[in-house]
Amino acid sequence: DAGITQSPRHKVTETGTPVTLRCHQTENHRYMYWYRQDPGHGLRLIHYSYGVKDTDKGEVSDGYSVSRSKTEDFLLTLESATSSQTSVYFCAIRDSLDQPQHFGDGTRLSIL
Amino acid sequence: QQQVKQSPQSLIVQKGGIPIINCAYENTAFDYFPWYQQFPGKGPALLIAIRPDVSEKKEGRFTISFNKSAKQFSLHIMDSQPGDSATYFCAASIIGNQFYFGTGTSLTVIP
Repeated sequence: DAGITQSPRHKVTETGTPVTLRCHQTENHRYMYWYRQDPGHGLRLIHYSYGVKDTDKGEVSDGYSVSRSKTEDFLLTLESATSSQTSVYFCAIRDSLDQPQHFGDGTRLSIL
Repeated sequence: QQQVKQSPQSLIVQKGGIPIINCAYENTAFDYFPWYQQFPGKGPALLIAIRPDVSEKKEGRFTISFNKSAKQFSLHIMDSQPGDSATYFCAASIIGNQFYFGTGTSLTVIP
């Protein structure tokens, strides 16, 4: 398995609270991605990073922000969580653009 | 708008059967088509991938068939086993750009 650790693995929180999810990699890969997985939608890209401090939006970025201050860590923040953000969140990494993405085991987030 | 349409949503086959999962796309610029396998509680794992310059690719019991003119590609699992029970996702991308995933197919292989 690719060296990807997502934390926490499970979280339950209340609407309106801030939430930060962490993706940590030991592969020194340049590219990192955050997806959400929902029934009937598959995986949808939230944000991605192509280097330290270099990030960009994906197709479902509203309500989310990201930061990457070190190669190994990519953080996803929900500034004020809403129930529509209840989902399973996956981090993925990629060494170069002609290589496939490798996924972590996900964070199950429930917002009540 | 779903960039990649996947069917069926679920599939049940007997052990030894050949489940087939289909995907269709519209963007003719897509040039990389991977399939991912996902077990409960785990992230998707790359299974096999194809580029549009070939019509078929085999890796073990898994085969991708690609029809460029029809803008369709499919995954065939030969001699399916109970251990193949998982959710399968197709995807498409322009190399170096965003991946677009299908909605997934839940496969159950009955012993």
